[in-house]
Amino acid sequence: TQLLEQSPQFLSIQEGENLTVYCNSSSVFSSLQWYRQEPGEGPVLLVTVVTGGEVKKLKRLTFQFGDARKDSSLHITAAQPGDTGLYLCAGGGARGAQKLVFGQGTRLTINP
Amino acid sequence: ETGVTQTPRHLVMGMTNKKSLKCEQHLGHNAMYWYKQSAKKPLELMFVYSLEERVENNSVPSRFSPECPNSSHLFLHLHTLQPEDSALYLCASSQVGSGSTEAFFGQGTRLTVV
Repeated sequence: TQLLEQSPQFLSIQEGENLTVYCNSSSVFSSLQWYRQEPGEGPVLLVTVVTGGEVKKLKRLTFQFGDARKDSSLHITAAQPGDTGLYLCAGGGARGAQKLVFGQGTRLTINP
Repeated sequence: ETGVTQTPRHLVMGMTNKKSLKCEQHLGHNAMYWYKQSAKKPLELMFVYSLEERVENNSVPSRFSPECPNSSHLFLHLHTLQPEDSALYLCASSQVGSGSTEAFFGQGTRLTVV
């Protein structure tokens, strides 16, 4: 059974600080996605990484896929209250979205 | 409307009731999914429909009954639920066969069983 472990599970920091969220597995994934979910809403796709070592940037968010395609990280620079939410990583295999494996999420709170 | 739309957004039902959740996707995708999201648990995949055929049923109790009449619509029929079935139920869609692993989610239905 493929599992994705996210850490930390909860993170509360002040506006302007930097943070990193990790997503780790012992399994290899063909791709890895990051979603953000706000209370009462569904997850919204932020990025997909598919190549080992790949780095993608989305404004103040930097996503990296591990060289072995078993792990990923999300780094936020100068966090803002609007970054508050539940961040989910999801690993995809040969069957694509039909077999997405989700981590348990990191609940991030940015305090003004 | 665009994306994936779920109705109702909130539902409170008794254990003897029968209700249905509806999902509609406007993305032209050929696969649709039901997920359950409970507190402190990862998203749990319940059902997968690909090209309108059910291809996955992750040991979901029979009190949950999915229906996919066409590639744009997905229903989840509920009957004689238990309080532990209270959760956020999420619908998602994707394009199978394109090489993409991306799923696009609806806003969810918050279900409370009393």
